[in-house]
Amino acid sequence: QSALTQPASVSGSPGQSITISCTGTSSDVGGYNYVSWYQQHPGKVPKVMIYEVSNRPSGVSNRFSGSKSGNTASLTISGLQAEDEADYYCSSYTSSSTPVVFGGGTKLTVL
Amino acid sequence: QVQLQESGPGLVKPSQTLSLTCTVSGGSISSGSYYWSWIRQPAGKGLEWIGRIYTSGSTNYNPSLKSRVTISVDTSKNQFSLKLSSVTAADTAVYYCARESAQQLALDYWGQGTLVTVSS
Repeated sequence: QSALTQPASVSGSPGQSITISCTGTSSDVGGYNYVSWYQQHPGKVPKVMIYEVSNRPSGVSNRFSGSKSGNTASLTISGLQAEDEADYYCSSYTSSSTPVVFGGGTKLTVL
Repeated sequence: QVQLQESGPGLVKPSQTLSLTCTVSGGSISSGSYYWSWIRQPAGKGLEWIGRIYTSGSTNYNPSLKSRVTISVDTSKNQFSLKLSSVTAADTAVYYCARESAQQLALDYWGQGTLVTVSS
């Protein structure tokens, strides 16, 4: 069982916006602004899309945005495109026995 | 541009030790403030953080694997390594090495991943 909880799947039509949630505790998501989001296409290497809750690395589309409220972080993808279909994982720093935890992953389907 | 490349046996027998090396190019493994990490992913499943080693040599491990994991660094070869002992079929996975910025705590560069199968 993953330390961070994500929905198993979300879907949306091209052009729409979707949001993926990532729920943790005050020891991880809620306590620190070190939430990252990773995109992984089938058979490919994960790629960081968001770091420190809401920062985008250079080269990542501004259609991707991140936010946090309490113990839940969110990744929003606006103007959904077919190429956004992938698995998305959240990650957070944690003050518990391990410094890094991942969510279980969310499969995004573009209808 | 930093690049990471995993290497090691693709097949390991049960009860033996899995050994992988990650070679870093495009930058010195001993410069800057970075964690050098290992992550694995069983087929069809999610990412599991294994552990990391800091530039200074200090390590952190996933408690569920801690008794079996050792991560070390060889600065002369610009490499860091993973050893996982007493492996079982449950350790079959794609193993990734990655760099984590100590400031941003995000995994910004990843290797291509290497599939390790545990089977007799």
